[in-house]
Amino acid sequence: AQTVTQSQPEMSVQEAETVTLSCTYDTSESDYYLFWYKQPPSRQMILVIRQEAYKQQNATENRFSVNFQKAAKSFSLKISDSQLGDAAMYFCAYRSAGTSGTYKYIFGTGTRLKVLA
Amino acid sequence: DTEVTQTPKHLVMGMTNKKSLKCEQHMGHRAMYWYKQKAKKPPELMFVYSYEKLSINESVPSRFSPECPNSSLLNLHLHALQPEDSALYLCASSPPDRLNTEAFFGQGTRLTVV
Repeated sequence: AQTVTQSQPEMSVQEAETVTLSCTYDTSESDYYLFWYKQPPSRQMILVIRQEAYKQQNATENRFSVNFQKAAKSFSLKISDSQLGDAAMYFCAYRSAGTSGTYKYIFGTGTRLKVLA
Repeated sequence: DTEVTQTPKHLVMGMTNKKSLKCEQHMGHRAMYWYKQKAKKPPELMFVYSYEKLSINESVPSRFSPECPNSSLLNLHLHALQPEDSALYLCASSPPDRLNTEAFFGQGTRLTVV
């Protein structure tokens, strides 16, 4: 079974600074997808960024980028120029590459990010 | 329309009540999910429906009964719940193929069992 681990329960960052959230996972599959989701107090899970395991290039979305190390099974999220609106719970998630209806989105335990003004 | 809509947003029910949670999406997604999330914990998968058929049941107690009447609608019927079932219930959907895409989540139903 696949597992996702986030070792940082809470992180703080000064506004406009950069912060990196860590995620490791365990799987025996070679093809899969990784995601970072953000869950603000409004409760809705919002996709931040996705990474395909077969792509060596790290994904980037504006101020958000990942460092994907497939051999090490590591998938960290870097937030640059942090903003107050980035404050939320961040979940790392894994999804296998099977057909729809047979795969699960598996979540790590989450990292609460605080942004200090 | 890129939304997953869940109703109600809040629900308080007694242990002898029967209630239902509703989830709706109009994105053409053919996989739909129910997750349970306790406070300060990650979402835990309960059920997956694929093309209106139940494909995954994560050993959920029978007091939770899912239903997928059509490709846009997912229900979760609740009966004889326990106080420990109080949680945020999230619905999600995803496209019908192997696209490298995320699950789209609703805002959840905050359930309190008294």
